[in-house]
Amino acid sequence: DVKVTQSSRYLVKRTGEKVFLECVQDMDHENMFWYRQDPGLGLRLIYFSYDVKMKEKGDIPEGYSVSREKKERFSLILESASTNQTSMYLCASSLTYTNTEAFFGQGTRLTVV
Amino acid sequence: AQTVTQSQPEMSVQEAETVTLSCTYDTSESDYYLFWYKQPPSRQMILVIRQEAYKQQNATENRFSVNFQKAAKSFSLKISDSQLGDAAMYFCAYIRADNAGNMLTFGGGTRLMVKP
Repeated sequence: DVKVTQSSRYLVKRTGEKVFLECVQDMDHENMFWYRQDPGLGLRLIYFSYDVKMKEKGDIPEGYSVSREKKERFSLILESASTNQTSMYLCASSLTYTNTEAFFGQGTRLTVV
Repeated sequence: AQTVTQSQPEMSVQEAETVTLSCTYDTSESDYYLFWYKQPPSRQMILVIRQEAYKQQNATENRFSVNFQKAAKSFSLKISDSQLGDAAMYFCAYIRADNAGNMLTFGGGTRLMVKP
């Protein structure tokens, strides 16, 4: 079974801190995604990556950056956390082309105080 | 840019009955995939059903089926014989199929409640 693992389920950080959210997948997927989930807004794409060191901005990239140095790992970075970044963060991965089903991690609920 | 719209924030259904969740999308592409994902209270998103746009036949997975209307850009999910375990958030999603580097776009979600 495909496994997508996010490093934390719950995280509490202070305003201004640099925050790292880590995601690892074990199925050699090319695509990896970071989403933010807020009530009534669904999942909004922050960044995605379709290859090592390749990244594309999603719908809401402001205040975030990403890193993909290895194929299996995709990190989301909040350079200076703010209270409006309190949210649920979901990581996903998928193969390109014929098999486009995305597999998700369990989510990280981040609270910025 | 493509958009996905779910017009029903909440739905409820009696156990054993049938419910239909709506989804519409906007795209200029001809080749794409559509998905319904389920997110139970445990938060783990799981795929319910998938539809390839080039296929006219509606996808079916046990009690779950879709009504795919390509011209109308509509993709609804029908759940038959609803069970208590079907209670969850349901998300409709879209992705282009032509090459790498495509975004997977989600709708706002529908919360389904199942009444015993």
